Amino acid sequence: GIQVEQSPPDLILQEGANSTLRCNFSDSVNNLQWFHQNPWGQLINLFYIPSGTKQNGRLSATTVATERYSLLYISSSQTTDSGVYFCAAAPYSGGGADGLTFGKGTHLIIQP
Amino acid sequence: NAGVTQTPKFRVLKTGQSMTLLCAQDMNHEYMYWYRQDPGMGLRLIHYSVGEGTTAKGEVPDGYNVSRLKKQNFLLGLESAAPSQTSVYFCASSTGLAPFGEQYFGPGTRLTVT
Repeated sequence: GIQVEQSPPDLILQEGANSTLRCNFSDSVNNLQWFHQNPWGQLINLFYIPSGTKQNGRLSATTVATERYSLLYISSSQTTDSGVYFCAAAPYSGGGADGLTFGKGTHLIIQP
Repeated sequence: NAGVTQTPKFRVLKTGQSMTLLCAQDMNHEYMYWYRQDPGMGLRLIHYSVGEGTTAKGEVPDGYNVSRLKKQNFLLGLESAAPSQTSVYFCASSTGLAPFGEQYFGPGTRLTVT
């Protein structure tokens, strides 16, 4: 099946800093999503981005499908950005029915 | 519009007991999924369904059964719980339509098997 690798595994930043999280995947995808899991365990959808670039406030994401990677940018970090960020992908060969394969996540801590 | 809801939120079982987790969605989605999340890991797919009356195995299906009798509901059953099934269980749904649809997740059920 498809492999999804995220880096870095852990990241500690001061409030106001910018960060880039990376997701590499091993196959062509028809679905790629970024999630934020907050300290209460809730999974929050950030982006559905199998290709291209999207922005939502201080967050933006870019997926370069031909090179099989995606980047999540967080600007002007706030303490509420702390948590685990997951990248998840479904392979194109699955025809749309496949579930998502998750990476192991990036644990982000924003210090005040 | 509640999105994806899960019942119960927490449960403690003894080894060998059975239980059913309920997932409901009000978005008229065709596809539904059950995942589990173990400490320090991402989610892994247990079973999924592409429509009412259909189910299929995911990555880690052993020890679980599912049913999709109604489009809006997807049930996950544990017939004889084992400590290895201690986990957080998430349900998700999507439209399944091209370009294959964003998955939306429920709040999770935290299950402990002693």
